[in-house]
Amino acid sequence: GQQLNQSPQSMFIQEGEDVSMNCTSSSIFNTWLWYKQDPGEGPVLLIALYKAGELTSNGRLTAQFGITRKDSFLNISASIPSDVCIYFCAGQRTPRQLTFGSGTQLTVLP
Amino acid sequence: DAGVIQSPRHEVTEMGQEVTLRCKPISGHNSLFWYRQTMMRGLELLIYFNNNVPIDDSGMPEDRFSAKMPNASFSTLKIQPSEPRDSAVYFCASSLFTRGLVRQNSNQPQHFGDGTRLSIL
Repeated sequence: GQQLNQSPQSMFIQEGEDVSMNCTSSSIFNTWLWYKQDPGEGPVLLIALYKAGELTSNGRLTAQFGITRKDSFLNISASIPSDVCIYFCAGQRTPRQLTFGSGTQLTVLP
Repeated sequence: DAGVIQSPRHEVTEMGQEVTLRCKPISGHNSLFWYRQTMMRGLELLIYFNNNVPIDDSGMPEDRFSAKMPNASFSTLKIQPSEPRDSAVYFCASSLFTRGLVRQNSNQPQHFGDGTRLSIL
């Protein structure tokens, strides 16, 4: 089936630093989504991207839909301790199905 | 607005027992999804419904798993009999699917519940 390669698997950064993570695929997607997941909770949507080349921001978060439609990245600027969680990318090809990346565990050190 | 509501939040039971997980989607959403999350395999789609009709159940592991959606506001995922390897977090998600005029359907994002953590002993 379709697979997404999400990297890095984990990151340890100092508070205030910027963070970047990305997802790549061998398949084209029509939509890219970025979710975050805190322990004991479900994934929460952060940003949705619908067009190749689209760059969208949500506060300190910025995500882009790659031109080839096979990749996407998420940047977090000026990280703070509450940014700690797992971040997932998800690609959508059909209107109803998501393929998830394996997640990036972010740790922010004070 | 109420999000996707799942119950129970935690379930611990012995192998061989029947397990029923419940989901109430967001009001107005017409697509509902059941996922399973494990450390080894991440998030896997089990089944999804559109307008209460199962569209694709190819992700259901085996016949021990079944899902129903008797109405637009309720769905169940049942495992009978349960086995230890079924232990995982099960998520329900819902979204609004709208069919466009000229091959342009709307990929509305899926919104997830907080999951049911299932442990089969």
